[in-house]
Amino acid sequence: ETGVTQTPRHLVMGMTNKKSLKCEQHLGHNAMYWYKQSAKKPLELMFVYSLEERVENNSVPSRFSPECPNSSHLFLHLHTLQPEDSALYLCASSSRASGGPNTGELFFGEGSRLTVL
Amino acid sequence: SQKIEQNSEALNIQEGKTATLTCNYTNYSPAYLQWYRQDPGRGPVFLLLIRENEKEKRKERLKVTFDTTLKQSLFHITASQPADSATYLCALLMDTGRRALTFGSGTRLQVQP
Repeated sequence: ETGVTQTPRHLVMGMTNKKSLKCEQHLGHNAMYWYKQSAKKPLELMFVYSLEERVENNSVPSRFSPECPNSSHLFLHLHTLQPEDSALYLCASSSRASGGPNTGELFFGEGSRLTVL
Repeated sequence: SQKIEQNSEALNIQEGKTATLTCNYTNYSPAYLQWYRQDPGRGPVFLLLIRENEKEKRKERLKVTFDTTLKQSLFHITASQPADSATYLCALLMDTGRRALTFGSGTRLQVQP
């Protein structure tokens, strides 16, 4: 138990569906992240939220839409995805100084395994 | 641009031996470097962080070194056990303007009983 909970753990969706991934952290951290992990590839940073403000968007297609309503919750809204978007989506959190880079360890959730048919 | 290189081939060793994994980076030396463990289908788990002014860091059977001249970090597991079998990832900030860690592709370690 890392203190970061992701739901659902598994999701199968068609290309025309709209779904959302949810992440909740119970660690009192002030930064949250979405990473994508495809087979045989390294983790790819998608979005960074610090103090509920998006501070980094790593050239992610607009079919992925993040939302951070407060410092404990992070969502990834999915719509009109492609089969190549099938991957493990990992949420992480950390503590960071305001305006500064992340210098602390990341706490990851167990991930949401997404399959797009 | 900065690149992180880890041996993509799996490392197979015998139980009780020392496993050594390598993380190389190009260009500038980061202020610190982190190592994570990832089991299949699960999120990475933080293991150790080493700063640029630290040559070596230890935690139980784990040891990490950081050589800014060679632009390399080595991760050692002594007295390895089958339970140490996993993928090990190194991570660092790619440049000072970035706000989050970038990960290497990881090296899979298999410890044979």
